[in-house]
Amino acid sequence: QQQVKQSPQSLIVQKGGISIINCAYENTAFDYFPWYQQFPGKGPALLIAIRPDVSEKKEGRFTISFNKSAKQFSLHIMDSQPGDSATYFCAAAPFGNEKLTFGTGTRLTIIP
Amino acid sequence: GAVVSQHPSRVICKSGTSVKIECRSLDFQATTMFWYRQFPKQSLMLMATSNEGSKATYEQGVEKDKFLINHASLTLSTLTVTSAHPEDSSFYICSASTSWNEQFFGPGTRLTVL
Repeated sequence: QQQVKQSPQSLIVQKGGISIINCAYENTAFDYFPWYQQFPGKGPALLIAIRPDVSEKKEGRFTISFNKSAKQFSLHIMDSQPGDSATYFCAAAPFGNEKLTFGTGTRLTIIP
Repeated sequence: GAVVSQHPSRVICKSGTSVKIECRSLDFQATTMFWYRQFPKQSLMLMATSNEGSKATYEQGVEKDKFLINHASLTLSTLTVTSAHPEDSSFYICSASTSWNEQFFGPGTRLTVL
């Protein structure tokens, strides 16, 4: 019940396209859903996060869509650029608990 | 965002020696810090939760006597890998939690045990 399932494992998108990564969870106690971006040899960087009181959050080219009833959330990267090529992790944490459960990661490659 | 540093970024040591990794929150105070381990092309595996002024809480399967954690202040946590062996070679990453419960990660430490 603690798992966060992430898909796809890898994704290739053309420059300018939309990259979409999906995550699903079972634990209804989760109420904080961040996305992290990680480049090779570096630590993860917080991209954007959402709480269940909203269904969507947008920051620049990055948007989180959240479906509470389906227990799913996704990351959309608009106008994808080669610099977006990285591994993306979704995560979740319960209310009042900072301990994150991570998805398995998606390796995103943006091709010219 | 908040900044977390780690030192060293890379370390190579001989089998049987101990290695200390420092994690610092540079522009905020962190009551809670976390230590993760990451193998190539895999997700982050939480090793332990470090709380300032108290003992760390280790995840199941993580040897607390091998991975010593000290959280001496609100801006510093250290991880010591004792009697390191080649199987301890990995990428170790710390994170620090802000007062609004967001986690910010350090740049990681690549440990290679020969």
